[in-house]
Amino acid sequence: ILNVEQSPQSLHVQEGDSTNFTCSFPSSNFYALHWYRWETAKSPEALFVMTLNGDEKKKGRISATLNTKEGYSYLYIKGSQPEDSATYLCAFIPGGKLIFGQGTELSVKP
Amino acid sequence: DAGITQSPRHKVTETGTPVTLRCHQTENHRYMYWYRQDPGHGLRLIHYSYGVKDTDKGEVSDGYSVSRSKTEDFLLTLESATSSQTSVYFCAITREGNSPLHFGNGTRLTVT
Repeated sequence: ILNVEQSPQSLHVQEGDSTNFTCSFPSSNFYALHWYRWETAKSPEALFVMTLNGDEKKKGRISATLNTKEGYSYLYIKGSQPEDSATYLCAFIPGGKLIFGQGTELSVKP
Repeated sequence: DAGITQSPRHKVTETGTPVTLRCHQTENHRYMYWYRQDPGHGLRLIHYSYGVKDTDKGEVSDGYSVSRSKTEDFLLTLESATSSQTSVYFCAITREGNSPLHFGNGTRLTVT
């Protein structure tokens, strides 16, 4: 069974703080790594799809990096806002399957 | 929004009854997935399909079967529902592995 681990499980920050989460995955048989943002009572929405070692992606205040050789990806949020409160999921693709980590639940207090 | 619809949105059923959930897409995407969402487990893959009549098991496939007779429809069947299958079920589609998933709105299933 493939293991995709995310840490921390939950995070509480103040508005304006910058924060980061980790996604760890098996480094062998890598195909792609996805990041999703999931708000309560909604469906997950894609943030990034990363395929190359050393990839860096950015979307507004959110960015991500990828290290396929050591099997990890970081998601960064700069200057967190209350509307960033959500669960952030990473997903790893070995072949056709897309396996999700358990997510990091972020709460940003005004 | 990607053209993906799940039905029904909500269902309550009794233990031992068969249940079928439907995922319908209008995007002509090759890959379709069924996930279940449970507290503390995030999204767990039940089954997925990589083409018409081509399906494979995910992490938690026991008690579930799927069928894909047309590109646009991916059906998830619980042959004999159990209380442990009470969950929210999400369908997702994508063109290929390095494209993002688009999710349906979910089906909330309660097995009493």
